[in-house]
Amino acid sequence: NAGVTQTPKFQVLKTGQSMTLQCAQDMNHNSMYWYRQDPGMGLRLIYYSASEGTTDKGEVPNGYNVSRLNKREFSLRLESAAPSQTSVYFCASSERPPGATNEKLFFGSGTQLSVL
Amino acid sequence: SQKIEQNSEALNIQEGKTATLTCNYTNYSPAYLQWYRQDPGRGPVFLLLIRENEKEKRKERLKVTFDTTLKQSLFHITASQPADSATYLCAPNSPLGSGGGADGLTFGKGTHLIIQP
Repeated sequence: NAGVTQTPKFQVLKTGQSMTLQCAQDMNHNSMYWYRQDPGMGLRLIYYSASEGTTDKGEVPNGYNVSRLNKREFSLRLESAAPSQTSVYFCASSERPPGATNEKLFFGSGTQLSVL
Repeated sequence: SQKIEQNSEALNIQEGKTATLTCNYTNYSPAYLQWYRQDPGRGPVFLLLIRENEKEKRKERLKVTFDTTLKQSLFHITASQPADSATYLCAPNSPLGSGGGADGLTFGKGTHLIIQP
């Protein structure tokens, strides 16, 4: 019953450092998503992947890259971290594609990232 | 651009009363709308989905209404309990290619609900 697993749970980076946030789901879902959540801003979509081998930009993709490694795994990479990327990052998955009826999202527990 | 408005201030409700949360949206026409619950330090959890042709949906103590004319959804928790205290997010959806903006779900900022014992 793992659902969506994110690692790490916490991370502190210095400006300019790079890192990859990992996400894996065990529900055989086709679609996966990366969101960031900031106080007063709500959840904002960074990137999504409607199926293995495809990725698309969301609302706030600048400064990020993603890889849909296989059906289970979807990683988010910060090549050169900036203080503006300090946030809580959530990975989510859905059985249905984005925009489909019954597109219910299952979220991981989040990664709290601080960029100093 | 699409805009979703939820009560920005915390909502304090006495235990046993009905809590009503509001979600208003502008500049698009979602085919359906979802509500999620988020506890501190956790990811959101899906609660209910209501389609544009449904006026009301119920699940145990939860009830959601969807008024496409008013562009509003109301989320009710009846017989509220302290364990219902959390942040509740509404998420209207636009089908792909509908011109609604971001693909799929767009989340509101959430309303923090506090149920007082």
